[in-house]
Amino acid sequence: EPEVTQTPSHQVTQMGQEVILRCVPISNHLYFYWYRQILGQKVEFLVSFYNNEISEKSEIFDDQFSVERPDGSNFTLKIRSTKLEDSAMYFCASRSFPTSASETQYFGPGTRLLVL
Amino acid sequence: DQQVKQNSPSLSVQEGRISILNCDYTNSMFDYFLWYKKYPAEGPTFLISISSIKDKNEDGRFTVFLNKSAKHLSLHIVPSQPGDSAVYFCAASASHSGGSNYKLTFGKGTLLTVNP
Repeated sequence: EPEVTQTPSHQVTQMGQEVILRCVPISNHLYFYWYRQILGQKVEFLVSFYNNEISEKSEIFDDQFSVERPDGSNFTLKIRSTKLEDSAMYFCASRSFPTSASETQYFGPGTRLLVL
Repeated sequence: DQQVKQNSPSLSVQEGRISILNCDYTNSMFDYFLWYKKYPAEGPTFLISISSIKDKNEDGRFTVFLNKSAKHLSLHIVPSQPGDSAVYFCAASASHSGGSNYKLTFGKGTLLTVNP
């Protein structure tokens, strides 16, 4: 069964460093998302991406964040200068072309980011 | 801003009995609802969904009920099994005119424990 994959599974970085989180969405999916979950809190939407551009972003997704689909398979989230409060589990999700039967988003296993 | 609320942080049931997980929402624009199951250190796994045009959807042991007038949905698991023990998230999305970002808004989750 196709699945969303994410690398790395864990990342430890120093405050102020740049990190890139990688995702390989399900191959025939067209919509891509990043979410995050700070420990003990709910899963929060960060950004959605369609047709090679951001379609929506949350207030969390400030200028320190960027997303890219550098090739036909990868989808990346970059944090330019990490802060302590960026420590969280980051989930990538993807969804196929929207019809009433395909609105489900499928999630990857997540990358646990720890900023020291 | 809790647009999706899961008021029970935990639920414990006996194996073979029914598990009922509840979810309330406040945003009347939500028109698609999903339940995800999550194990520690893993991504959310899609379980079952329901469109706002329906009031019930069933898939094996899992049934989701939607009461639009009360802005309430519930997930029934019958019979419950020890392997069902996990955190269950309720999520909702709203279609947008001219595009379909379908970002998900999550509840805080309910930890279900099924005792043998």
